[in-house]
Amino acid sequence: AQTVTQSQPEMSVQEAETVTLSCTYDTSENNYYLFWYKQPPSRQMILVIRQEAYKQQNATENRFSVNFQKAAKSFSLKISDSQLGDTAMYFCAFTPSDTGTASKLTFGTGTRLQVTL
Amino acid sequence: DGGITQSPKYLFRKEGQNVTLSCEQNLNHDAMYWYRQDPGQGLRLIYYSQIVNDFQKGDIAEGYSVSREKKESFPLTVTSAQKNPTAFYLCASSSGPSYNEQFFGPGTRLTVL
Repeated sequence: AQTVTQSQPEMSVQEAETVTLSCTYDTSENNYYLFWYKQPPSRQMILVIRQEAYKQQNATENRFSVNFQKAAKSFSLKISDSQLGDTAMYFCAFTPSDTGTASKLTFGTGTRLQVTL
Repeated sequence: DGGITQSPKYLFRKEGQNVTLSCEQNLNHDAMYWYRQDPGQGLRLIYYSQIVNDFQKGDIAEGYSVSREKKESFPLTVTSAQKNPTAFYLCASSSGPSYNEQFFGPGTRLTVL
């Protein structure tokens, strides 16, 4: 069974600064996908970024980037130039590689990020 | 606009009553999912469905039931057997060939009185 651990329940960052959210996971799979989802106060889950385990290059999406360390089973999210709209819960999630069937996501417990002026 | 709708946004139920949460998608996705979210916990999978008339239990299926009579719809029934039904419920969908990226609805907050 897979597990996903987010050890930082809450974090705070000033506007325009950079913050890194941590995530570790445990799996015996060799190929899999990792995700960061954002859940703002509206509670709508929004996909922030995705990483495929067989790709060595770290994924980036504008101000969001990941540091994927497969051997260490670590998948951290870096938010650069933080904005007030980044205030949200952030969830790390894992799913085994695509098998042509419905994928089951395993989520961490989340990190609440507060961006301050 | 394509997306996933869930209704109602807020739902109140008396103990001992069954209640059905609606989830509809117009993304033409094959797979649909139901998750439960509790404070301090991540999302946990209740049920998922790959195709019409087929569904599988997730990690916390006890006290819940689903149906998949149409590709667009995947309603979740919270039965009286569910001991702690008060939670936030999220529906999601995904499509092939990989199915790994899931899109979420806005959620339903269920409160048992």
